[in-house]
Amino acid sequence: GAGVSQSPSNKVTEKGKDVELRCDPISGHTALYWYRQSLGQGLEFLIYFQGNSAPDKSGLPSDRFSAERTGGSVSTLTIQRTQQEDSAVYLCASSSRDRVYSPLHFGNGTRLTVT
Amino acid sequence: QQPVQSPQAVILREGEDAVINCSSSKALYSVHWYRQKHGEAPVFLMILLKGGEQKGHEKISASFNEKKQQSSLYLTASQLSYSGTYFCGTEYSGGGADGLTFGKGTHLIIQP
Repeated sequence: GAGVSQSPSNKVTEKGKDVELRCDPISGHTALYWYRQSLGQGLEFLIYFQGNSAPDKSGLPSDRFSAERTGGSVSTLTIQRTQQEDSAVYLCASSSRDRVYSPLHFGNGTRLTVT
Repeated sequence: QQPVQSPQAVILREGEDAVINCSSSKALYSVHWYRQKHGEAPVFLMILLKGGEQKGHEKISASFNEKKQQSSLYLTASQLSYSGTYFCGTEYSGGGADGLTFGKGTHLIIQP
């Protein structure tokens, strides 16, 4: 079936502009994650949505970052007033948390470049 | 809390074995292992649960030591295709109550 879809795949923006990154999870997956990966670095946790529970926003680096998940499906990560240090690959993942073994399925990411 | 992976990098000859460790200072519920090749998304390898048995996938297996709060990934008779960055991800409570936190990764290079 279809995997996790992210758009756009690449985004170049000027410093100070706002950007929106979109994630379409696998149908039926209740859990959705956003991670950030800078060049050659690890997976930095940003935010976690699980069903109807309040999201875990503990990883968002500043109040310029926000995310929402509408109807328990599509998620949008918004970065306001982008800075050069925001340049990274933003990865979305989803999983089905109703089973004991529930791996994360990652999208191919959005590569954000702030000039 | 981010788990700690070691070593940071490993260079092997094809056919050699490797062990990658993942440690936590907090009691673990589960450990996930993923492999990421350059320019690609991470791909799931296996999950180990507290109280569960050792898991295996081809010549890659892993263990979970609850007392030490540590998991180890074993790569036996490594192949060129095993090259990539390996990440462990940890959960501290079950039922999806919290998300998955990843270590900084272990870079594995397999040379012919």
